[in-house]
Amino acid sequence: KAGVTQTPRYLIKTRGQQVTLSCSPISGHRSVSWYQQTPGQGLQFLFEYFSETQRNKGNFPGRFSGRQFSNSRSEMNVSTLELGDSALYLCASSSDGGRETQYFGPGTRLLVL
Amino acid sequence: GENVEQHPSTLSVQEGDSAVIKCTYSDSASNYFPWYKQELGKRPQLIIDIRSNVGEKKDQRIAVTLNKTAKHFSLHITETQPEDSAVYFCASPSRGQNFVFGPGTRLSVLP
Repeated sequence: KAGVTQTPRYLIKTRGQQVTLSCSPISGHRSVSWYQQTPGQGLQFLFEYFSETQRNKGNFPGRFSGRQFSNSRSEMNVSTLELGDSALYLCASSSDGGRETQYFGPGTRLLVL
Repeated sequence: GENVEQHPSTLSVQEGDSAVIKCTYSDSASNYFPWYKQELGKRPQLIIDIRSNVGEKKDQRIAVTLNKTAKHFSLHITETQPEDSAVYFCASPSRGQNFVFGPGTRLSVLP
């Protein structure tokens, strides 16, 4: 089975812009979770989508949003970028999120200037 | 919500020695505990996991033990090799957040 893929792998944006990241889960997986990874804060949960519905949400501002399509592919969007949004954004897929094994994608490294 | 603590934050061992990383969790309902290894510039990779109906699980040089009463679980790596050098994360399920991850342990295996 192909693994989790994410595009793009690298992005450079300026403050105030918006960005859209994409994640394609492992075939058959319906749950996609998004995490932000920074050196100081570790892995922070953003949100989870399951069968096109947001099922769980972490403690991030409303500038961070996401969606999931019928083929389970997911996108996350960050509007009005801030310098502090610079991070590695990882998505993880699983058969059912929650208490099942999550498999991570390679991540998108976002740099906000 | 769930809180996961992980110790130590850094660990240096000589090649061939053993390494132990410990995590504690707060939610007594948690029942699945994965460990991930993240090498520099790469994605976190699942290396072993354990469910609450067993106390120990082994996979070659790697083992995980679980103490549900004390709410802690540990990763054991024996006969460490330079390629074991990485950051290791533990995780525990959290209601409303899927998983909460520990802050990570940077393991350095010295030749």
